[in-house]
Amino acid sequence: DIQMTQSPSSLSASVGDRVTITCRASQSISRYLNWYQQKPGKAPKLLIYAASSLQSGVPSRFGGSGSGTDFTLTISSLQPEDFATYYCQQSHNIPRTFGQGTKVEIK
Amino acid sequence: DVQLVESGGGLVQPGGSLRLSCAPSRFTFSNYWMSWVRQAPGKGLEWVANIKQDGSERNYVDSVKGRFTISRDNAKNSLYLQMNSLRDEDTAVYYCAREAGYCSSTTTCYFWFDPWGQGTLVTVSS
Repeated sequence: DIQMTQSPSSLSASVGDRVTITCRASQSISRYLNWYQQKPGKAPKLLIYAASSLQSGVPSRFGGSGSGTDFTLTISSLQPEDFATYYCQQSHNIPRTFGQGTKVEIK
Repeated sequence: DVQLVESGGGLVQPGGSLRLSCAPSRFTFSNYWMSWVRQAPGKGLEWVANIKQDGSERNYVDSVKGRFTISRDNAKNSLYLQMNSLRDEDTAVYYCAREAGYCSSTTTCYFWFDPWGQGTLVTVSS
């Protein structure tokens, strides 16, 4: 199985900050990498697919990059509604696997 | 909007069984792979199983193989997860999710989960 490791596990940031979350795969997954946002008590929401494609309706302050084993989710200017947990997920093969999550908290 | 609604969760004793259902709306259900993903209380996301459009292919995470069965009825627009021999560690919110995607070539197809249902809680406890 492909292991997905996110860093950091949590971070504290202020509104307006630039935030970067990293996801590393245990083997090359090309660009088969998706990012989700989850708020407490809610279902996850797709942000980025195929490593860097922005899902329709998602604000442009969210961006994804990377290929192979190393990927990044960037929030260019953190907004109050962005405080949540973020997960990466690989779709290179079965089983689909997720990172452990990165919780973004208010500083 | 495209929507998925799960049902069937509840409290069950260890060793018991439960059947979850997922009802899609506002998209052509039979055109998509579908998945179940779960989240234990306070934990991260874990993919459980998926099923091909016509039901001819099914995949499972190792921890549920032989105990869980994913199925679908395209005529009834429904997705199911039959869970048998339930264990304490199966306690989680179970989400159904559509596997959307596209193919950029004959060998390169990208998939992602979108949308997700609201989830249904399964509690395994004596």
